[in-house]
Amino acid sequence: EAGVVQSPRYKIIEKKQPVAFWCNPISGHNTLYWYRQNLGQGPELLIRYENEEAVDDSQLPKDRFSAERLKGVDSTLKIQPAELGDSAVYLCASSLDRRVGIQYFGAGTRLSVL
Amino acid sequence: DAKTTQPPSMDCAEGRAANLPCNHSTISGNEYVYWYRQIHSQGPQYIIHGLKNNETNEMASLIITEDRKSSTLILPHATLRDTAVYYCSVEETSGSRLTFGEGTQLTVNP
Repeated sequence: EAGVVQSPRYKIIEKKQPVAFWCNPISGHNTLYWYRQNLGQGPELLIRYENEEAVDDSQLPKDRFSAERLKGVDSTLKIQPAELGDSAVYLCASSLDRRVGIQYFGAGTRLSVL
Repeated sequence: DAKTTQPPSMDCAEGRAANLPCNHSTISGNEYVYWYRQIHSQGPQYIIHGLKNNETNEMASLIITEDRKSSTLILPHATLRDTAVYYCSVEETSGSRLTFGEGTQLTVNP
């Protein structure tokens, strides 16, 4: 069974440019998470989806970040415009449902903003 | 929200047991303790979780103190492939958000 798939693995952009990350969760998993992980720190939740509904986006910087999960499957996370401080690894995870704390993570997208 | 505290680093000899401690003194009664690990350049991987009883699976054992204020993850026979950052996390009362600290860098030495 395929795990959580993220693309791209690496992205280098100049500040003020837009960038998007894509995530395909494990088939049948209703809950999808986006995390940001800064160097030397643990992942921090940005947004959680239950099917296509964003049910926890309190940590998402809404002035420049947006996310969507059309049809409750794949998801994209966008930053526009990117800032130097956005350099981090962006991780996607999925779980069977929100009551199950077992989350399955993708390999992440490493973003460098120059 | 319960906060976790872990030592920043630990070393272990290959073949020996690795005991990784975690303090979660503000944990509430219905919050679970979860352990994940992250190998370099990969996403975190689930290891084990528990509420108040000790748990064991094919990867590790989890010992939770009776007052639930701390726990220990035990890798019974550490291998070089167990070198990773280990995160102790507490499930928030909403049942939906894990909070990761800075983790413990475990280095297994030959």
